[in-house]
Amino acid sequence: SAVISQKPSRDICQRGTSLTIQCQVDSQVTMMFWYRQQPGQSLTLIATANQGSEATYESGFVIDKFPISRPNLTFSTLTVSNMSPEDSSIYLCSVVVDYGYTFGSGTRLTVV
Amino acid sequence: EDKVVQSPLSLVVHEGDTVTLNCSYEVTNFRSLLWYKQEKKAPTFLFMLTSSGIEKKSGRLSSILDKKELSSILNITATQTGDSAIYLCAVKANQAGTALIFGKGTTLSVSS
Repeated sequence: SAVISQKPSRDICQRGTSLTIQCQVDSQVTMMFWYRQQPGQSLTLIATANQGSEATYESGFVIDKFPISRPNLTFSTLTVSNMSPEDSSIYLCSVVVDYGYTFGSGTRLTVV
Repeated sequence: EDKVVQSPLSLVVHEGDTVTLNCSYEVTNFRSLLWYKQEKKAPTFLFMLTSSGIEKKSGRLSSILDKKELSSILNITATQTGDSAIYLCAVKANQAGTALIFGKGTTLSVSS
């Protein structure tokens, strides 16, 4: 299975600012998934990031709020823009390799 | 709309007890069902069940897929305090490479 390095592990941010989360995979993968887990909730898919094309966003998530980059097959970033306290969540990236789904270590974001 | 429902949402047991966690699903073109354990941020993989592999066991944990009832159970025998976590059920649907659909999870607390 793949190993994903996700950074930062946690951050406390002021409302109105932006935070960029990075995920580095130790192998080339076609798709990377970005999830959000709000307090007490399950994982909700934000978007699917493909290399060389625009990310595909799920209902309720827009590119202006959560821009994603996917410059190559091993790396992706998710930016949480113009943050509000409602954005306080755990953010996770995930990849599928050989039918196995692996998650990054997660980013715990607190917006104050 | 595809959905995954877990029950109970939370559970408190004593060390040594046996617990059964439930997961039911309604998805288009079911491919596999996965169980994860989440202790801090990143979910860790437990089992994947498919049409060709409907029962899995690892130590004190076991899981069964009932394709007729569109459900799965996760059993934990002789529970330990280290089993305290959120247990997530997820389903993979449609074509290869799609993201997982998660249930809300069951929060298990094991007291000594």
